[in-house]
Amino acid sequence: DAGVIQSPRHEVTEMGQEVTLRCKPISGHNSLFWYRQTMMRGLELLIYFNNNVPIDDSGMPEDRFSAKMPNASFSTLKIQPSEPRDSAVYFCASSFVNSDTQYFGPGTRLTVL
Amino acid sequence: GNSVTQMEGPVTLSEEAFLTINCTYTATGYPSLFWYVQYPGEGLQLLLKATKADDKGSNKGFEATYRKETTSFHLEKGSVQVSDSAVYFCARRGLNRDDKIIFGKGTRLHILP
Repeated sequence: DAGVIQSPRHEVTEMGQEVTLRCKPISGHNSLFWYRQTMMRGLELLIYFNNNVPIDDSGMPEDRFSAKMPNASFSTLKIQPSEPRDSAVYFCASSFVNSDTQYFGPGTRLTVL
Repeated sequence: GNSVTQMEGPVTLSEEAFLTINCTYTATGYPSLFWYVQYPGEGLQLLLKATKADDKGSNKGFEATYRKETTSFHLEKGSVQVSDSAVYFCARRGLNRDDKIIFGKGTRLHILP
């Protein structure tokens, strides 16, 4: 069975450019999470959705970040404009609603020059 | 507030050594507690969990006991292997089933052959 799929796996872009990260959750899961991981701040929850509805976006750093989940099998995290401090590994995870077990994707390593 | 604190790494041990990674939590009541593991180049995956006081979670030779007296959930393994080299995250969920999971900063473990 396919796990959580993220694309791209690596992204290198220049400051000011728009970046779009994509995630396909495990089929049947109805919760989806976006995390950011850096050495300095560890793992941070940015936003999560239940049944395609955003529940908690308090972790989204600022207005440059936005996330959408147009249907149960796809979500995007967009950064516009990107800045060097956005460089990190971004993980998507999915689960059944209120489950204790989240399944993480392999991550997207973003480098903003 | 509610948080998870775990020992800073990196932790370096020789193969077959005994492992302890400390984790304490602050929360009102009795949150569910977890250990997640992140192998190099991968996303996090659930290693074990405990949902009430005095429960012991175990998996792959790892164990952790939910200690409400000391608000701790230390991870232990009697004999580590090189393949255990990874980053280990302690985590908790709030009292409500729809509360998000909060992760500690992670502890990097290196096992030398």
